[in-house]
Amino acid sequence: GAGVSQSPSNKVTEKGKDVELRCDPISGHTALYWYRQSLGQGLEFLIYFQGNSAPDKSGLPSDRFSAERTGGSVSTLTIQRTQQEDSAVYLCASSFASGGYEQYFGPGTRLTVT
Amino acid sequence: DQQVKQNSPSLSVQEGRISILNCDYTNSMFDYFLWYKKYPAEGPTFLISISSIKDKNEDGRFTVFLNKSAKHLSLHIVPSQPGDSAVYFCAASDTGGFKTIFGAGTRLFVKA
Repeated sequence: GAGVSQSPSNKVTEKGKDVELRCDPISGHTALYWYRQSLGQGLEFLIYFQGNSAPDKSGLPSDRFSAERTGGSVSTLTIQRTQQEDSAVYLCASSFASGGYEQYFGPGTRLTVT
Repeated sequence: DQQVKQNSPSLSVQEGRISILNCDYTNSMFDYFLWYKKYPAEGPTFLISISSIKDKNEDGRFTVFLNKSAKHLSLHIVPSQPGDSAVYFCAASDTGGFKTIFGAGTRLFVKA
């Protein structure tokens, strides 16, 4: 079956503009995660959604970052007023709810803020 | 506050030899540990995991060892193959397993 997909694969934007990154999780997965990987760094947790529960936003670096998950499926990560330090690869992952430790990752969106 | 640490940014190993990747953690509430493998321009893929009630889990050429008292785990790859060359991330989660903390990764080079 289809894996996790993300769009766009690459995004170049000017400082100060808003961007939206999209994630389509694997069908049937109720948990969805967003991570960020800056150059030479590990995966930084941003946010996760689990079913209808309130999302865990504890990893969002600032209030310029927000995410939604509509209908328990597709998710959008929005970065407002982008800064150069936002440049990174943004990875989305999904997993099953029960025993859902193994996460399936998408290929990521490479964001470059100029 | 790095709760999961991979102190070796890179490791080079000869084909056929053993690769040992190390990981340390600080949060005693972690009870599930995972290793992911990442190739360039791809998302990480799950490799192997271990629950805190075990000290060893084996899957083919890959074995993960957990030392809870030392808050240390390691991934052994035997024998190493050139196709194993990738970045390996150690990850940990607490009960529920949804919030997962990743280490910075170790880049493994397996030389033919």
